[in-house]
Amino acid sequence: GQSLEQPSEVTAVEGAIVQINCTYQTSGFYGLSWYQQHDGGAPTFLSYNALDGLEETGRFSSFLSRSDSYGYLLLQELQMKDSASYFCAVRDRDTGRRALTFGSGTRLQVQP
Amino acid sequence: DAGVTQSPTHLIKTRGQQVTLRCSPKSGHDTVSWYQQALGQGPQFIFQYYEEEERQRGNFPDRFSGHQFPNYSSELNVNALLLGDSALYLCASSLGLAETSTDTQYFGPGTRLTVL
Repeated sequence: GQSLEQPSEVTAVEGAIVQINCTYQTSGFYGLSWYQQHDGGAPTFLSYNALDGLEETGRFSSFLSRSDSYGYLLLQELQMKDSASYFCAVRDRDTGRRALTFGSGTRLQVQP
Repeated sequence: DAGVTQSPTHLIKTRGQQVTLRCSPKSGHDTVSWYQQALGQGPQFIFQYYEEEERQRGNFPDRFSGHQFPNYSSELNVNALLLGDSALYLCASSLGLAETSTDTQYFGPGTRLTVL
């Protein structure tokens, strides 16, 4: 089967940079996605990495190393509104390309 | 541009009852996936519908079934409810069978199901 590990909680201050790591074990890895979910809200797509390297989208960047089965989400210039849960999710051969397997999520608290 | 909508927003049922949850995909999308999210956990894939057929299924019992209509909307049915079925049920829509490398799933706000 597949498993994903990410820290349960991270705390940072406004304006800082925070990195949320994700390690995974899968069979036939296709890609790693990141989703943000505010309390009571729906998960929203942030980024997707299928190949090694860094993808940048505004203040958010995501990195993937397929050889290390590792990725991270980097949030820069933190704002209070970034307080939310962040999930890494893989698409792999076990669940098929059509499904996402999510980690348990990292709760980010941004303090003033 | 209408996003993914789900109904109802909240639902309370008792053990043994049956429930039907509804989802309308984002405009232009034809594929609907259903996920179960327990409190403090990540969403778990239940199944996915495309062209009115179940295309893939996660590790959920047959008590969980679904349907997709010609207008791409979908229903999730759960029979013989258990206390452990209490969760947020999320619907996600996408275009096509999600085999492209940049597939993005758009999630609805979810239905909060409480089983007493």
